[in-house]
Order: sequence, then C-alpha cells, then structure tokens
Amino acid sequence: KNEVEQSPQNLTAQEGEFITINCSYSVGISALHWLQQHPGGGIVSLFMLSSGKKKHGRLIATINIQEKHSSLHITASHPRDSAVYICAAHQGGKLIFGQGTELSVKP
Amino acid sequence: DAGITQSPRHKVTETGTPVTLRCHQTENHRYMYWYRQDPGHGLRLIHYSYGVKDTDKGEVSDGYSVSRSKTEDFLLTLESATSSQTSVYFCAISGPVGTGFYEQYFGPGTRLTVT
Repeated sequence: KNEVEQSPQNLTAQEGEFITINCSYSVGISALHWLQQHPGGGIVSLFMLSSGKKKHGRLIATINIQEKHSSLHITASHPRDSAVYICAAHQGGKLIFGQGTELSVKP
Repeated sequence: DAGITQSPRHKVTETGTPVTLRCHQTENHRYMYWYRQDPGHGLRLIHYSYGVKDTDKGEVSDGYSVSRSKTEDFLLTLESATSSQTSVYFCAISGPVGTGFYEQYFGPGTRLTVT
C-alpha cells in the first residue's frame, strides 16, 4: 500500500463543475503539498498546508491532520485546469508523492 | 518564479555511455533533489542533498550518483546508462517559508532517452 494515496486517478468534468480530488496519507508529516503539472509541462506548487484551509483564486485546499486526509477543490472548473494534480507528504526533508490525478475539463 | 534551471533539457544517448545532468539554482537554498517521473510510477526520489558535499539516497538510487561541490549546483550522473533510465528527470530545491516549513520548487525537467 502506498504511503500517499490519491483518488480518483482520472477525472473528466464539464466546464463549470465543482471538482474534488482527495489525498490520504499514512505517515507523519510536517506539511502536505499540492502540485500541478500540465501536459508536457513543468511542476508547479499550488499549496503547502500544515493545517486548516487555503484558497487561491478558484482553488481551495483543506487538510484534516487527525484523519490524515487532504482535499483539493476547484470551483467553476475551466478547460485550462486540465492537468495532473499531485499531492505530496513532506516528511523528514523529503516529499512522498501520490500517483497523481489526471483531470480533463471539457468545454 | 524560483531560479532553478536544468541542462540539458533533452538528451538522447546510447546504452553504456555516461551521462551527467546539471541542476543550477540561484536561490541559495540548502536542499536540492533529483526525481524521475515515469508513467505508472509518478515522481520518485533518486538522491537529495542537504548541503554542500552532503547527499543521501532516495528510493531509486541504483545506477545513479550525485555530487554537490557548491550550493548552486547539483549534478546527477548515470555512470553507464541503461534503457530503464529513459525518463523525465526533475530537479527541485527547497527553501524556508515561515518558521519550520519548506516550499519545494521544481526545475523544467530533462527528457532523457537511452537507446
């Protein structure tokens, strides 16, 4: 079993839909990262969370430390949100990555 | 954007040849990492460095070596490249944001093909 599990692995949505990607981890962490990677592109850090909730534009990330669970929400999704979203647990100076969620938003 | 570059960006090499990938940062961050990304495996840590001349292995370090002789450069060497090392390689740096937290910044990636 992977130490960081994401679900779903693939997600197709219609433009405008509300999207949720989930991340569960089984290790102790100092922080949880959400990353975005567009097809053929580089990796961009969206959020780093240690507790509570963060918001940036249409993106919202939450974390529940007791339940070892984090979610990434996208409101009013747009085709440009199509990308792979990766959660990563920060432990001991290193990141442990989930497998990624491939999101496709159709116009 | 964090100042982090990788060279080369693309490379095709033959099995058995040595290959060195370079990661260069201008942020003066202490931590540097090399990852590989493969379909079905996601991102996996090869080696990382927590200071000049201080390095440690990650989960997929076999066949790779690293060196860090100065803060800004972290080199990844494939001593004798194999086809299984065909991958996209990402360098990352980690720097402090606030108290006790470290943000990671990724380089643009190097696509390596071993024929």
